[in-house]
Amino acid sequence: DQQVKQNSPSLSVQEGRISILNCDYTNSMFDYFLWYKKYPAEGPTFLISISSIKDKNEDGRFTVFLNKSAKHLSLHIVPSQPGDSAVYFCAASVTGGTSYGKLTFGQGTILTVHP
Amino acid sequence: GAVVSQHPSWVICKSGTSVKIECRSLDFQATTMFWYRQFPKQSLMLMATSNEGSKATYEQGVEKDKFLINHASLTLSTLTVTSAHPEDSSFYICSAPGQGGREQYFGPGTRLTVT
Repeated sequence: DQQVKQNSPSLSVQEGRISILNCDYTNSMFDYFLWYKKYPAEGPTFLISISSIKDKNEDGRFTVFLNKSAKHLSLHIVPSQPGDSAVYFCAASVTGGTSYGKLTFGQGTILTVHP
Repeated sequence: GAVVSQHPSWVICKSGTSVKIECRSLDFQATTMFWYRQFPKQSLMLMATSNEGSKATYEQGVEKDKFLINHASLTLSTLTVTSAHPEDSSFYICSAPGQGGREQYFGPGTRLTVT
């Protein structure tokens, strides 16, 4: 039962262009969403997050959009840089109750930014 | 930012032996920590929630007698893989919630190989 899905295993983008990574979820109880960047043999690094009460959050080159009705979120990186090449994980959580702090991850999308 | 460390970063052990992995929050206190495992090219799967001063809570399908968790202090949680088997070989990652409890900060991970 994959509650968080990243249907694109990989994405290739030219340097300077926009990277768009997508994520879908099924659990309507999720109210907080996060994006992490991960290199092989390292732990995930937090990038950006969004609460379900918002539909957009921006931090520098990174913007996350949330469409609650479609249960869909996306991460936009613009302009993309070769150093952005990594695996990107979407994660979701239910803030509160017994699920406090627990994250459910998607499968990840490998982003490659070509110079 | 919040820093989480893990030790060791990699370990090789023989079948039947036990291995202990440490997770430390270096610049903040964490009453709760989480343990994840990641198989190659797969998502991070939550194994258990480590609670300071009380028993850990395990996700469905995770053997609590095999994966012993001890949260001895506000900055240290340990995961002991007992009677390790080759199928326990994986990448184990811990995390701790940051201020506010929404973002999780991850350790660098521990690569366990059981021969």
